[in-house]
Amino acid sequence: QKEVEQNSGPLSVPEGAIASLNCTYSDRGSQSFFWYRQYSGKSPELIMFIYSNGDKEDGRFTAQLNKASQYVSLLIRDSQPSDSATYLCAVTNTNAGKSTFGDGTTLTVKP
Amino acid sequence: DGGITQSPKYLFRKEGQNVTLSCEQNLNHDAMYWYRQDPGQGLRLIYYSQIVNDFQKGDIAEGYSVSREKKESFPLTVTSAQKNPTAFYLCASSIVRKNEQFFGPGTRLTVL
Repeated sequence: QKEVEQNSGPLSVPEGAIASLNCTYSDRGSQSFFWYRQYSGKSPELIMFIYSNGDKEDGRFTAQLNKASQYVSLLIRDSQPSDSATYLCAVTNTNAGKSTFGDGTTLTVKP
Repeated sequence: DGGITQSPKYLFRKEGQNVTLSCEQNLNHDAMYWYRQDPGQGLRLIYYSQIVNDFQKGDIAEGYSVSREKKESFPLTVTSAQKNPTAFYLCASSIVRKNEQFFGPGTRLTVL
């Protein structure tokens, strides 16, 4: 079992719809959770982070964390073609000083 | 402008050669990281450093070496012992214990 698992996709949604990206992790000591967006051929960029159980909203993005279920998700509302990218989930055990990344979910938003 | 720079953008290596990838940051971050990304895969940690003159092995350190002589710089050497080095190499930095990582543009290494 991988330490961080994501649906491999690809995930395809129509423009204006809600895209839901999911991530599960195995280390119960994990304290910090991140979502990165990576366009094809480019480096990842941080779009959301969440540390506490519940929801965190930033514009069209909402991160959701459930530590009891070891589950973190990213919702993208009003999806745009420019959201088409691979989304990487990263989980950090701060005591270890490093993050573990999932393999990513590729999202395509169709006009 | 604050940020992370990596050079070169593309690098070609003959088998048996060692090559060094550069990573420089002016964000005043203490922590720096090197990752490898293969097509269709996530990031795998090679080495990381939380302070000058100290670094730790990541999950796939074999065949790689690093140094951290300055806070701003964290070069990665891909040695001839790395049997399959063709990949996209990414350098990142963060504030220690924050782990919100900022990435450089990456170096694509191809072995000929």
